[in-house]
Amino acid sequence: GAVVSQHPSWVICKSGTSVKIECRSLDFQATTMFWYRQFPKQSLMLMATSNEGSKATYEQGVEKDKFLINHASLTLSTLTVTSAHPEDSSFYICSARDSLGIDYEQYFGPGTRLTVT
Amino acid sequence: KQEVTQIPAALSVPEGENLVLNCSFTDSAIYNLQWFRQDPGKGLTSLLLIQSSQREQTSGRLNASLDKSSGRSTLYIAASQPGDSATYLCAVTLYNQGGKLIFGQGTELSVKP
Repeated sequence: GAVVSQHPSWVICKSGTSVKIECRSLDFQATTMFWYRQFPKQSLMLMATSNEGSKATYEQGVEKDKFLINHASLTLSTLTVTSAHPEDSSFYICSARDSLGIDYEQYFGPGTRLTVT
Repeated sequence: KQEVTQIPAALSVPEGENLVLNCSFTDSAIYNLQWFRQDPGKGLTSLLLIQSSQREQTSGRLNASLDKSSGRSTLYIAASQPGDSATYLCAVTLYNQGGKLIFGQGTELSVKP
């Protein structure tokens, strides 16, 4: 149980285009999902907290107009990188918290490798 | 502001050795602490979760301890194997902040056959 999927697993796009990444909880409902980015040889940095049916909460320094987050259902959150630039190239990982869980444990997706050329 | 530090940043050991990875955090107001494993280019695998009221958790060859008052946790790996080679991350769940995780920088472990 507690499986989180991400799609796509990797994507290459041209500078100036937009890319959408999906995060799904497959066997549980997730009121809250989190989006992280990770640069090579570095740790995960929380970008935003996504709550079903409401606006995402962004961490300081993260541009909300550039990284659009939508959490339209209890099993799906999407991250759209708008007008992507090479510096947006990174590994993006989502996690989901089981709505019925009581210990705040998060389950992580396998990540999406974004390369902007 | 909560900061999580992991020492060492990298570690190379021969197969069979027992080893300890260290994690420290600056604010003891945590809900729990988790240890994760990350293989290159992959997502995270949860290894152990310790609630703030607990002192340790064990799973197979892994044992994690938590001393909340001193802001420290250790991950003990017994009889290391080449398959244990990966980056190990610790993370704390902040109290009353909706489950936010703050990660350490990780320890890159290499177990030589």
